Amino acid sequence: GIQVEQSPPDLILQEGANSTLRCNFSDSVNNLQWFHQNPWGQLINLFYIPSGTKQNGRLSATTVATERYSLLYISSSQTTDSGVYFCAVERHYGQNFVFGPGTRLSVLP
Amino acid sequence: DTGVSQDPRHKITKRGQNVTFRCDPISEHNRLYWYRQTLGQGPEFLTYFQNEAQLEKSRLLSDRFSAERPKGSFSTLEIQRTEQGDSAMYLCASSLGGANTGELFFGEGSRLTVL
Repeated sequence: GIQVEQSPPDLILQEGANSTLRCNFSDSVNNLQWFHQNPWGQLINLFYIPSGTKQNGRLSATTVATERYSLLYISSSQTTDSGVYFCAVERHYGQNFVFGPGTRLSVLP
Repeated sequence: DTGVSQDPRHKITKRGQNVTFRCDPISEHNRLYWYRQTLGQGPEFLTYFQNEAQLEKSRLLSDRFSAERPKGSFSTLEIQRTEQGDSAMYLCASSLGGANTGELFFGEGSRLTVL
């Protein structure tokens, strides 16, 4: 099956800093999503981005499908950005989504 | 739009007991997924439905696990003869699948602790 890797596994930032999280996948994909898992365990949708670039406030994401990676940018980080960030990919239409291992982000005040 | 809801949010049970989780997807969403997440890991796929049809099951879904989605609305996930290794967060998601799979939306999860 498809392999999904995320880097870095852990990231500690000072409030206000910028960061880039990476998701690599081993094969072409039909869909890709980024999620933020909050301290209570809920997965919050960030981006649905099989290709191209999207922006939402301080967050933006870029997926280069031909090169099999996606990047999540967080600018001017805040303590509420802390948590685990997951990317998930769907290999073919109608299959399940496979999750990466996540990047754990800690933003210090 | 009320989002995906799961019940119960927390369940503590003794080994050998049966447990059942319920998921109510976003209305009009035709696809419903179950995932399991253990501490420090990403969610792992268990099974998914399109309407009432169960289209795919993971090898993680042993014969002690069964999922249903009668009438293509809510879904239940039952675990029989629970084991300590079943302790995990059980996550439900739904999407509006059509020409494309659509965006997944997750519920808050049901946390199971098996003593």
